[in-house]
Amino acid sequence: EADIYQTPRYLVIGTGKKITLECSQTMGHDKMYWYQQDPGMELHLIHYSYGVNSTEKGDLSSESTVSRIRTEHFPLTLESARPSHTSQYLCASSDDGYGYTFGSGTRLTVV
Amino acid sequence: AQSVTQLGSHVSVSEGALVLLRCNYSSSVPPYLFWYVQYPNQGLQLLLKYTSAATLVKGINGFEAEFKKSETSFHLTKPSAHMSDAAEYFCAVSDFNTDKLIFGTGTRLQVFP
Repeated sequence: EADIYQTPRYLVIGTGKKITLECSQTMGHDKMYWYQQDPGMELHLIHYSYGVNSTEKGDLSSESTVSRIRTEHFPLTLESARPSHTSQYLCASSDDGYGYTFGSGTRLTVV
Repeated sequence: AQSVTQLGSHVSVSEGALVLLRCNYSSSVPPYLFWYVQYPNQGLQLLLKYTSAATLVKGINGFEAEFKKSETSFHLTKPSAHMSDAAEYFCAVSDFNTDKLIFGTGTRLQVFP
């Protein structure tokens, strides 16, 4: 049974729309992460958070934004979706260096 | 800074054959190392992890990996491949300064009947 949940699993949306990808975890982890994964498989860290009200940009520049108002919730928002945002987005959480737990991902298609 | 290199973006084996997926790491301190598996349209699932205890680590689904400091390697093996093992596999090292995982570029395993 998954302890980290991402919704929606699949999303097809038109250019210019605002979208929010949801990520919630029930493990009480302070650290949470968002990765973007393109069809070539490689994972790119785009945002991370080490606790409530703490967010940082990752290694790959992204037009998305995140917030961390509650420990269990780490949503990602795109104010104006573009076809270049088409990708899979993976959320993860961790308990200090012993590995991440990943959600099932959201596959986003912008048409 | 820590890093991992996965040799071979694609590996193909026959069902029943040995699976060997290669991972080499670079780290100035004893690393924590991980292998993850990703099935189609899924997130990543932890297969196994090395955290400075036994050098031979057993994971789920019959996989294991051996930490070899002299070779800076953490290769993933399975004695006999199943069709269900077809997936993408990622090696990762933990960055002690940031607690972030640094992932390799992944290896796609294909299993033929």
